[in-house]
Amino acid sequence: GEDVEQSLFLSVREGDSSVINCTYTDSSSTYLYWYKQEPGAGLQLLTYIFSNMDMKQDQRLTVLLNKKDKHLSLRIADTQTGDSAIYFCAESRTSGTYKYIFGTGTRLKVLA
Amino acid sequence: DAMVIQNPRYQVTQFGKPVTLSCSQTLNHNVMYWYQQKSSQAPKLLFHYYDKDFNNEADTPDNFQSRRPNTSFCFLDIRSPGLGDAAMYLCATSRAAGGLGEKLFFGSGTQLSVL
Repeated sequence: GEDVEQSLFLSVREGDSSVINCTYTDSSSTYLYWYKQEPGAGLQLLTYIFSNMDMKQDQRLTVLLNKKDKHLSLRIADTQTGDSAIYFCAESRTSGTYKYIFGTGTRLKVLA
Repeated sequence: DAMVIQNPRYQVTQFGKPVTLSCSQTLNHNVMYWYQQKSSQAPKLLFHYYDKDFNNEADTPDNFQSRRPNTSFCFLDIRSPGLGDAAMYLCATSRAAGGLGEKLFFGSGTQLSVL
C-alpha cells in the first residue's frame, strides 16, 4: 500500500516541544521529508532524512527515523506561534518514480 | 524572490466552463508537477513532466490535461470543471527524480472555486 499516515491535530503551548508523528508502509522508501504548509500557501520543505540515518538535527528541528517500525517523527523545540501550520511527511522511493507520497497532514496549533 | 509562481491566486469558474491555471519557474528545473489538494487532505499528484515527457497518474480523470511549452511554464487545463474539482491546485518543481532525494519546490497554489 501507499498509505502515509499522520494524526490530524496537535496543540501545544508556546515554548514547549512539539512532536509530530508519521507512519509509512513502503520499506523501499529512500528519503523521507517534512513539509510545512501555512494557511493559503504552498508547501515548504523543512528537512529530510535519508533512510540509512536514524536522526537528523537542524536547529530547532529533530527528525527521528525508526526504519524497523516505519515510523518518522519531527520534533520542534521551543515551539513558537509562527510554527502554527500543517505539517506533511512525505516519502520517495528508489524505483526512479517521480512520485512523492504525502501523508494526510498534522495541523499544529501553538497556544500563546 | 518567488521561484515557482502560480497565477491566478484565486480562480472562480462556472460548472462546465473550461479553465486554465498557470505555473512558471525560475529554477530551470527539469521536472514540473501538478497536485490537487482538497481541504484537510494530502496533495494528490495529477501528473508531471520530465522535460517534455508527460507522465499521467493512472487515476487522473481525462478532464484534466497539461501543457508544458518550454522549461519555464506549465499549464493545467480543466476541460469541464465539476463541483468536485473545487480544490487548491499546487504546482511544484524538482531538479530530477524523487528517488534521489530531490526536494520539491512548491508555488503558493491556485484556489479554484466552481459555481
